[in-house]
Amino acid sequence: DTEVTQTPKHLVMGMTNKKSLKCEQHMGHRAMYWYKQKAKKPPELMFVYSYEKLSINESVPSRFSPECPNSSLLNLHLHALQPEDSALYLCASSQIAGQVYEQYFGPGTRLTVT
Amino acid sequence: GENVEQHPSTLSVQEGDSAVIKCTYSDSASNYFPWYKQELGKGPQLIIDIRSNVGEKKDQRIAVTLNKTAKHFSLHITETQPEDSAVYFCAASIQGNNRLAFGKGNQVVVIP
Repeated sequence: DTEVTQTPKHLVMGMTNKKSLKCEQHMGHRAMYWYKQKAKKPPELMFVYSYEKLSINESVPSRFSPECPNSSLLNLHLHALQPEDSALYLCASSQIAGQVYEQYFGPGTRLTVT
Repeated sequence: GENVEQHPSTLSVQEGDSAVIKCTYSDSASNYFPWYKQELGKGPQLIIDIRSNVGEKKDQRIAVTLNKTAKHFSLHITETQPEDSAVYFCAASIQGNNRLAFGKGNQVVVIP
C-alpha cells in the first residue's frame, strides 16, 4: 500500500483565518514533505521532515507553520495567508535509507484564499 | 543545483500510437530518475523510476531509458489509451538527498 491521505480536499479561507492541513501515511516512512503546486507548474518543495525533525525549510514565509506530531502525521498550519498562496498543497512521504528512495504523493488540498 | 529540462511541453498522439517524453539533467551526480503522472484534480502518481546503475526499465506499456553520458532520460508509452492523457513530470535526485528537481511537465493528450 503506497497511500498518503490528505484532509481536507478543498479549503476556502479568508486572509485573517487560521486553518490546518493534515497528512497521514502508514507505510512506515520516516521522511515527510510539503509541496506547493500552482496550476500548470511542477511541485515546489516547502518543508522536509526527517525522523519527525524539520530538516529542510525552503525559505517559506512564517505564515506557513509545519508540524510533525509523530512518524505518521504531518500538519501545515496556515495563518494570515495572501491570495497568492492559493494553490494545491501536496504532502509526500518516503523511506530513509542509504539509497535513494521513492516519494509518494497524496491527492492534495486545493486551497483558495479570499 | 540540479536543473531538469523536459521536452516537448505538449504532445498529442492518436490512440494506439507511442508517446515519448525526453528530459535532460545538468548534475552528473544525479542517480535517481522518477516519472510522475498527474491527472486533473489529483496528486502526482509515481509510475516508474530508474537508477543510474541500469540503462532501461520496463513495466507493461511504459518504459524508461537512461543515457548517463548524454545526461538524458526518456519515458516511452506504447499502445497509448485515453486514460494515459495527463501531465507527466520527470525528476532527478542525488543519493542521500531528499530533494527532487522536477521538469516543467508535459501535457500528453491521447486522441481516441
